Amino acid sequence: LAKTTQPISMDSYEGQEVNITCSHNNIATNDYITWYQQFPSQGPRFIIQGYKTKVTNEVASLFIPADRKSSTLSLPRVSLSDTAVYYCLVGANTNAGKSTFGDGTTLTVKP
Amino acid sequence: GAGVSQSPRYKVTKRGQDVTLRCDPISSHATLYWYQQALGQGPEFLTYFNYEAQPDKSGLPSDRFSAERPEGSISTLTIQRTEQRDSAMYRCASSPRGAGDGETQYFGPGTRLLVL
Repeated sequence: LAKTTQPISMDSYEGQEVNITCSHNNIATNDYITWYQQFPSQGPRFIIQGYKTKVTNEVASLFIPADRKSSTLSLPRVSLSDTAVYYCLVGANTNAGKSTFGDGTTLTVKP
Repeated sequence: GAGVSQSPRYKVTKRGQDVTLRCDPISSHATLYWYQQALGQGPEFLTYFNYEAQPDKSGLPSDRFSAERPEGSISTLTIQRTEQRDSAMYRCASSPRGAGDGETQYFGPGTRLLVL
């Protein structure tokens, strides 16, 4: 399984753009990169997924450079309700079904 | 169903007792996962099912832990002879396709287990 490294925590203010970078140096050719968000007392919730370049949906963008050894989750104009833990997952085609979440990045948005 | 459901939501038991946790995935979802999540940490993979098959049990911490999904829908996770270190949140997730790269997992609310 590709190991991921994320910052333990980040602080931001309402209205700012937040970028959380995940390193995955040993990502395999067929691996996808998936980000989840988890609020206290809830299960993780899918945010966005990508394979290469850029993916955008209604809540976030995901930037993946050509070498795919890292990825950046971008949250535009965060609000207090975006305070959560964000997990980066990288799939492994030789271990289909086994997901490694790591400890994630705790984002705190301040007023 | 509308989402993944788990029961009970909370379970308090005494050390040495057996407990069974239940997960009802989104209907027709092929894959079902079990995770253990300690406070302040990310979910740790326990096992997963592809319909009724259980291809990977590598995350189960000991032989006291077992899981079933006999008809390819509802699953149970059983912990025998519980120990205090088993206290954690147990989360279930399902995904629509067979396990593999790129599938999105939908998580249930979890079962909080406390072993006294």
